[in-house]
Amino acid sequence: ETGVTQSPTHLIKTRGQQVTLRCSSQSGHNTVSWYQQALGQGPQFIFQYYREEENGRGNFPPRFSGLQFPNYSSELNVNALELDDSALYLCASSFWQGSYNEQFFGPGTRLTVL
Amino acid sequence: SQKIEQNSEALNIQEGKTATLTCNYTNYSPAYLQWYRQDPGRGPVFLLLIRENEKEKRKERLKVTFDTTLKQSLFHITASQPADSATYLCALEGKGGNNRLAFGKGNQVVVIP
Repeated sequence: ETGVTQSPTHLIKTRGQQVTLRCSSQSGHNTVSWYQQALGQGPQFIFQYYREEENGRGNFPPRFSGLQFPNYSSELNVNALELDDSALYLCASSFWQGSYNEQFFGPGTRLTVL
Repeated sequence: SQKIEQNSEALNIQEGKTATLTCNYTNYSPAYLQWYRQDPGRGPVFLLLIRENEKEKRKERLKVTFDTTLKQSLFHITASQPADSATYLCALEGKGGNNRLAFGKGNQVVVIP
């Protein structure tokens, strides 16, 4: 088990609602990345935060937004939920220093949009 | 467009045999190629990383090869065990070490006792 935790474990929302997912990164890590994994698919990169600033974004609309806090924990916010947003949302933390560093994934939050 | 392809069919293999998985990619120039294991309802777990200038990497019963000319990586599990049953994901990371991963869909392995 990694030291990355996510909450909640499961969540059910209806179309049009807003949701906030939380991630507590592993101790000493300064980077958090968020991924969306639809059923039967690989994880898709949403965005990354490094030292509280967004540091890259994948092909996701602006209604997906995030924050990173001074303790390097992070939130993913999704507004105006759509049915296709139903997925497993994963966060991964790492200590980035300009070259590859191993990413540690949390267990994910399963979001169902009805 | 960029693609990372893994076999969509599950690989059923007898215990003790070697499982071999393939990852092919197009329109990428990865600095690193990684393999992850994912169990149902869990997050991916890092297994191995291979750099663009490396041909082969080993870790215990795992072996990864990387051919940048063919744009292909092979992942081998030798002496497979039922506990190796899982989905294995191939992931590419671009140059610059930005830690942003592009994943394939994954390939399920079922080891039959």
